[in-house]
Amino acid sequence: DGGITQSPKYLFRKEGQNVTLSCEQNLNHDAMYWYRQDPGQGLRLIYYSQIVNDFQKGDIAEGYSVSREKKESFPLTVTSAQKNPTAFYLCASSIGTETGELFFGEGSRLTVL
Amino acid sequence: AQSVAQPEDQVNVAEGNPLTVKCTYSVSGNPYLFWYVQYPNRGLQFLLKYITGDNLVKGSYGFEAEFNKSQTSFHLKKPSALVSDSALYFCAVREGSNTGKLIFGQGTTLQVKP
Repeated sequence: DGGITQSPKYLFRKEGQNVTLSCEQNLNHDAMYWYRQDPGQGLRLIYYSQIVNDFQKGDIAEGYSVSREKKESFPLTVTSAQKNPTAFYLCASSIGTETGELFFGEGSRLTVL
Repeated sequence: AQSVAQPEDQVNVAEGNPLTVKCTYSVSGNPYLFWYVQYPNRGLQFLLKYITGDNLVKGSYGFEAEFNKSQTSFHLKKPSALVSDSALYFCAVREGSNTGKLIFGQGTTLQVKP
């Protein structure tokens, strides 16, 4: 079945450590996105990529980094510079930019101890 | 700047009754509007979208939404609620004309009681 796979589902991190969240899709979609979800705040865009080897900052990119070396993969690194990293992270993809319909993975919950 | 608002944090409805989850938007140009549903600790699932055409859009699981340009609203509706419809619902609007980025509302928790 085609879809988006995020791993790990749950991740615990000590303060000062970088962590990388994996996002892989086999939908052959060009565009990929990372959103952060906090209770009562909806989803906020961290980074997005419309094509391989290109990505742009979203609304809350500080303390995060991404890469897009392959069409299928869009990993997100949460760095130690992110002051409040505990959140639910959602990866999504879309065929292109015309219709905007996003397909989401199951999410990764990061907790900083 | 594009924005979307969901004025209710929570909606409570009895099973079998009709339900409405409200959404209003602010965009420049033609709006591209979406509804998603999220179950606990899961990703978002697409329900329906409005791009152009008929103001009443039908989607998954018996949901529909009515686009009202004069009121800048895109309310989600279902004629008869099920307990299994209890979840978190998000309205979203596309940010620009050449981007797939979506701006999401804060979300509305729907509670359907037996």
